[in-house]
Amino acid sequence: AAGVIQSPRHLIKEKRETATLKCYPIPRHDTVYWYQQGPGQDPQFLISFYEKMQSDKGSIPDRFSAQQFSDYHSELNMSSLELGDSALYFCASSLVPSANTGELFFGEGSRLTVL
Amino acid sequence: DQQVKQNSPSLSVQEGRISILNCDYTNSMFDYFLWYKKYPAEGPTFLISISSIKDKNEDGRFTVFLNKSAKHLSLHIVPSQPGDSAVYFCAANRYGGATNKLIFGTGTLLAVQP
Repeated sequence: AAGVIQSPRHLIKEKRETATLKCYPIPRHDTVYWYQQGPGQDPQFLISFYEKMQSDKGSIPDRFSAQQFSDYHSELNMSSLELGDSALYFCASSLVPSANTGELFFGEGSRLTVL
Repeated sequence: DQQVKQNSPSLSVQEGRISILNCDYTNSMFDYFLWYKKYPAEGPTFLISISSIKDKNEDGRFTVFLNKSAKHLSLHIVPSQPGDSAVYFCAANRYGGATNKLIFGTGTLLAVQP
C-alpha cells in the first residue's frame, strides 16, 4: 500500500540558507501534519492542513511556512536557517471523518543538517 | 509543559518475558491514546490505540491499559521478541473537528535481549 512520501530524505544547508521539504500524503488522505524531532527529543507538532487550509498550528517558528496544494501534497519552507533547526522532520497524513481513532500515518522523515 | 510523559528513557527485557512501558498524561480532555514504534532512520509506525472510554485494548501480543483516574496508560508486550527493540512513543489526541494532531511523549527505548 502507498505510504507517506517525503523528500528529500537528507538535506545539508548552511546557516541563513533556505530549505524546502516536500510531503506526499497517502492517497485520499485529506489532512497533512508536520512534526520536528530534535536529537533525543519527542516529535513536536509544527502545523497541519485540512483540505488545503491550515487547520492547526503548533511550535512553528515565524521563519517557517507551509502550505498544502490542490493535489494535497504539502511543502514546508524554512528560511534563515539556524543551527538549532537541524532535526528530523516528519510529515504525517490522515483521513478525518466524524469518527476517528487518532491514528496518523508517518513518512520516513527528512533529516536536515544546518552547518 | 510536557502533557504526555514517559518517565523511563530505556527498558531492557529478556526475550520471552513481558515488557511494560508506561505513560502519564496531564490533560483529561484527551480522546485517544496511541502507541507508536520507531526504528532508527524511519518514521513512527502505529502500534495500538485506546479510546478514552475504554480501559483495555488488545491486539495480538500488544495490550494497552488505560487508568483515567490516575491519568496513566501502559503498553504490555508479551512475549517480547528481539524484533520489538525500538523506541516506543506514547501519544495522545484530542479530536477537534478538522484537527487531529498528536502530542507525543519523550519515548522509551526498549531493548529485548535474546
